[in-house]
Amino acid sequence: DIQMTQSPSSLSASVGDRVTITCQASQDISNYLSWYQQKPGKAPKLLIYDASNLETGVPSRFSGSGSGTDFTFTISSLQPEDIATYYCQQCDNLPLTFGGGTQVEIK
Amino acid sequence: EVQLVQSGAEVKKPGESLKISCKGSGYSFSSYWIGWVRQMPGKGLEWMGIIYPANSDTRDSPSFQGQVTISADKSISTAYLQWSSLKASDNAMYYCVRHRVHGSSGYYSPFDYWGQGTLVTVSS
Repeated sequence: DIQMTQSPSSLSASVGDRVTITCQASQDISNYLSWYQQKPGKAPKLLIYDASNLETGVPSRFSGSGSGTDFTFTISSLQPEDIATYYCQQCDNLPLTFGGGTQVEIK
Repeated sequence: EVQLVQSGAEVKKPGESLKISCKGSGYSFSSYWIGWVRQMPGKGLEWMGIIYPANSDTRDSPSFQGQVTISADKSISTAYLQWSSLKASDNAMYYCVRHRVHGSSGYYSPFDYWGQGTLVTVSS
């Protein structure tokens, strides 16, 4: 199985800050990397697919980059409504696997 | 509008059987892989397996193989997740998901739609 290592596991930032989360795959997954947002008590929501493509309707302050084994997810200007847990996921090989999640809080 | 609507919360005893459902609408149900994702209390997301409703082809996660059964009835656009004998460790929220890319190779794509989740509580 491909292991996805996500860091940090939690972070606290101020409104307007730039927030960065990293995800590392245990083997080359090309660009088959997605990012999801899960707000408390809700189902996850797809934000980014194929490492850097923004899903329709997702605000442009969210972005993703990377390929191979190292990937980055960025919120350019943190907003109060961005409080959530964020997960990366690889779609290169079965079983599909998720990172452990990053809980984002407002300072 | 694409929707995945799951059956309601369940409270069961250890050893009991259970089948939860996920009804798709607003798209060609047969043409997209449908999967199941487990989230244990306070924990992350775990992929359990998927099914292609057009021909009921399934792919199971080794972690869940033999523990659950995934099935689908394309005539009523519904997928199922089934247990024959529940354990306390099955306490979790279960989400059904749709893969973003249609077709028989579409499982190499992310999940663009999620059901609302079905909470399964197993307690004696």
